Amino acid sequence: GESVGLHLPTLSVQEGDNSIINCAYSNSASDYFIWYKQESGKGPQFIIDIRSNMDKRQGQRVTVLLNKTVKHLSLQIAATQPGDSAVYFCAETGGFKTIFGAGTRLFVKA
Amino acid sequence: KAGVTQTPRYLIKTRGQQVTLSCSPISGHRSVSWYQQTPGQGLQFLFEYFSETQRNKGNFPGRFSGRQFSNSRSEMNVSTLELGDSALYLCASSLLSSDEKLFFGSGTQLSVL
Repeated sequence: GESVGLHLPTLSVQEGDNSIINCAYSNSASDYFIWYKQESGKGPQFIIDIRSNMDKRQGQRVTVLLNKTVKHLSLQIAATQPGDSAVYFCAETGGFKTIFGAGTRLFVKA
Repeated sequence: KAGVTQTPRYLIKTRGQQVTLSCSPISGHRSVSWYQQTPGQGLQFLFEYFSETQRNKGNFPGRFSGRQFSNSRSEMNVSTLELGDSALYLCASSLLSSDEKLFFGSGTQLSVL
């Protein structure tokens, strides 16, 4: 099936450190990108989004960066907390569907 | 406002059987999309419905089908179940289209024995 990113890497960070999660997307025509967080036993939950006419967007403790030249997205989480432990998915949208990356598992060590 | 509700939460079936999963979207949301989530394949798009019409379909066999009712509630059906159909099936709703921000239910965990 279609996918954004191919592997499920794991990132382990110390509580209080900053986290950076990376993602490669596939369709250069995609114009809207979203990061989702999935905790155990739950469905994915929206974190932050960005349109293709932007290269950076900030939320509360999170920042998304978009590099269209190399089709790359990143999610930065400041001052990572234990509650940030989850799987994070990038997603690209268009044509009445959203395509998800394989995800990155984030472990936060206390 | 209630979130997306999926029923049942867990389901165990045997090969060859069929199954129907249900999804109630957030009130006012008219688009419902379905995803299959497995450890090996991640989140795979199944189909999207809007105003009772399927607008897009992923790369799944015809055994996977769905429908949407006039109240935006949706069901998906899998016939002739195979072991490989074991997965978490997630439903997501959005206001108008599945290429907007999605709101997910907690999913139905299907195990095929």
